[in-house]
Amino acid sequence: QVQLVESGGGVVQPGRSLRLSCAPSGFTFSSSAMHWVRQAPGKGLEWLGLISKDGTYKFYADSVKGRFTISRDNSKNTLYLQMNTLGVDDTGLYFCARAERSSDYSLDYWGQGTLVTVSS
Amino acid sequence: QSALTQPPSASGSPGQTVTISCTGTNSDVGSFNSVSWYQQHPGKAPKLIIYDVTKRPSGVSDRFSASKSANRASLTVSGLQADDEADYYCSSYAISNSLVFGGGTKLTV
Repeated sequence: QVQLVESGGGVVQPGRSLRLSCAPSGFTFSSSAMHWVRQAPGKGLEWLGLISKDGTYKFYADSVKGRFTISRDNSKNTLYLQMNTLGVDDTGLYFCARAERSSDYSLDYWGQGTLVTVSS
Repeated sequence: QSALTQPPSASGSPGQTVTISCTGTNSDVGSFNSVSWYQQHPGKAPKLIIYDVTKRPSGVSDRFSASKSANRASLTVSGLQADDEADYYCSSYAISNSLVFGGGTKLTV
């Protein structure tokens, strides 16, 4: 069955960097576009960005453009989110999600999330 | 990339029907048939229940249905059950290759 497992979260000081990973299983990773979405404590979902199947195309939310970078290594079956210059507003649960096969902007499988806390 | 507008809460009794709205603009909901709906129970990951405005993924109950008119999308849950109590989020593809979510609606059964 399809599974997505995020890792790399933790407590980080403002201004520092963090890299999250997402390990997929149960499907052909290189055949799916992938997304990152976050959820601040007690708040709604916020889309962060999308990477195409082969990594050629990447699109970001304005709120993270220039600070966050999505990448993937299809040979290692891993999705990444590099986060730089973190601020307290970046605190939240970070999900990776798979794009539905026929609709790149519908997310049909989600991981359980990894928690990022930005605090001094 | 402004969030889509959803009512913060909705409620209904078991067996009843409830509809949740999702209002966007001509830059998202009004111009693209890429509206999705997600159900999220407390402490759980979101689950896709509707995509491409009206399509249900395999395994999703047909008690969930959806529609769109102009800049407004709607999710209807019929035959309410206790397990339907959750947060519901709409999303839409938006111009400049982005995705925008609604603020979420807490459904109480």
